[in-house]
Amino acid sequence: GQQVMQIPQYQHVQEGEDFTTYCNSSTTLSNIQWYKQRPGGHPVFLIQLVKSGEVKKQKRLTFQFGEAKKNSSLHITATQTTDVGTYFCAGQEGYSTLTFGKGTMLLVSP
Amino acid sequence: NAGVTQTPKFQVLKTGQSMTLQCAQDMNHEYMSWYRQDPGMGLRLIHYSVGAGITDQGEVPNGYNVSRSTTEDFPLRLLSAAPSQTSVYFCASSPPGTRIHGYTFGSGTRLTVV
Repeated sequence: GQQVMQIPQYQHVQEGEDFTTYCNSSTTLSNIQWYKQRPGGHPVFLIQLVKSGEVKKQKRLTFQFGEAKKNSSLHITATQTTDVGTYFCAGQEGYSTLTFGKGTMLLVSP
Repeated sequence: NAGVTQTPKFQVLKTGQSMTLQCAQDMNHEYMSWYRQDPGMGLRLIHYSVGAGITDQGEVPNGYNVSRSTTEDFPLRLLSAAPSQTSVYFCASSPPGTRIHGYTFGSGTRLTVV
């Protein structure tokens, strides 16, 4: 079945440093979504990417979808303590259900 | 709109007991699903529904039942609780369409089976 791998599992940065998490699928995806989960909270939808090579920005967050639609990345510029949480990617193959990666936990020290 | 409401927020069960986790949404979303979240395992799909009267199994369905009699409600039933079912359970919904939109998650139910 479809597998979505996410790296790294964990990253600890100093406030102001950049952060990137990567997502790789074993199959070609029709779309990929990104979610953020704060400690003790629930996943919150951030964005969906559909087109090959698509790049979307939300303030300090930049999301990319690979040309082959098998990988994606989330980059945060100049992290803040409010960025702390676990970031999940979730991929859909065709019209199937979403498959979530295991997430990257981000810790930001002031 | 309340969004996706899950009850209870916390529950402790004894091995062998049964219970129902409730999930309700007021956004008229056709698609609803249940996930469990365990440390280091991410979110794993238990069951899902694409509309009232239609349900299907996800990645880890054993030990769980679902039904979807209305658009709004999607309860998850644990038939005979086991310690392996200790987890955080999330219900999620999304609007209709040929491509999945972003999911709206409930706040979760933290279940401990002793």
